[in-house]
Amino acid sequence: GQQLNQSPQSMFIQEGEDVSMNCTSSSIFNTWLWYKQDPGEGPVLLIALYKAGELTSNGRLTAQFGITRKDSFLNISASIPSDVGIYFCAGANFGNEKLTFGTGTRLTIIP
Amino acid sequence: NAGVTQTPKFQVLKTGQSMTLQCAQDMNHNSMYWYRQDPGMGLRLIYYSASEGTTDKGEVPNGYNVSRLNKREFSLRLESAAPSQTSVYFCASSWATDTQYFGPGTRLTVL
Repeated sequence: GQQLNQSPQSMFIQEGEDVSMNCTSSSIFNTWLWYKQDPGEGPVLLIALYKAGELTSNGRLTAQFGITRKDSFLNISASIPSDVGIYFCAGANFGNEKLTFGTGTRLTIIP
Repeated sequence: NAGVTQTPKFQVLKTGQSMTLQCAQDMNHNSMYWYRQDPGMGLRLIYYSASEGTTDKGEVPNGYNVSRLNKREFSLRLESAAPSQTSVYFCASSWATDTQYFGPGTRLTVL
């Protein structure tokens, strides 16, 4: 089955740094989603994108729906310790009940 | 309002044993999903149910069966557990594909 490619696979940053990660697909999606998974918990939806080129923010998080519909980007500004976790992208198409998830980017903050 | 609940939280089985993972949601969602999460593999869909009384295979259905008992409950059964089924299992529910809410997960080890 298809999975989305996320990069980087892992990031080690210092508190206060900005973070950028991306997600690419070989096929187009009509919806892009970004989830965060805290250790020992289930994923939680952060941002949903519905239109090519759309830029949406949720606090310090900003995500973009790529123009080609085959990619999406997530930025975190001024990282804080609670940003630690795994970030997943997911793609969906209208009329399809299923999401396709990326392989995840693990974010670690170095004290 | 508990959201999505899963039982048990942890389980250890011997090869060949059977068990049922339980999932319930109190958000009146039509759709429910079962995923498994393995290191480096992201989330892979096992089965889903678009509405009460219907179930469909996802990406990795072999070795599993599901039952949509009613609108609230969606169970996942392993008839004869194998070590390859060692994983973390997540249940999710949604009104629409994009807003899937996840449970806390069941950590299953098959010896």
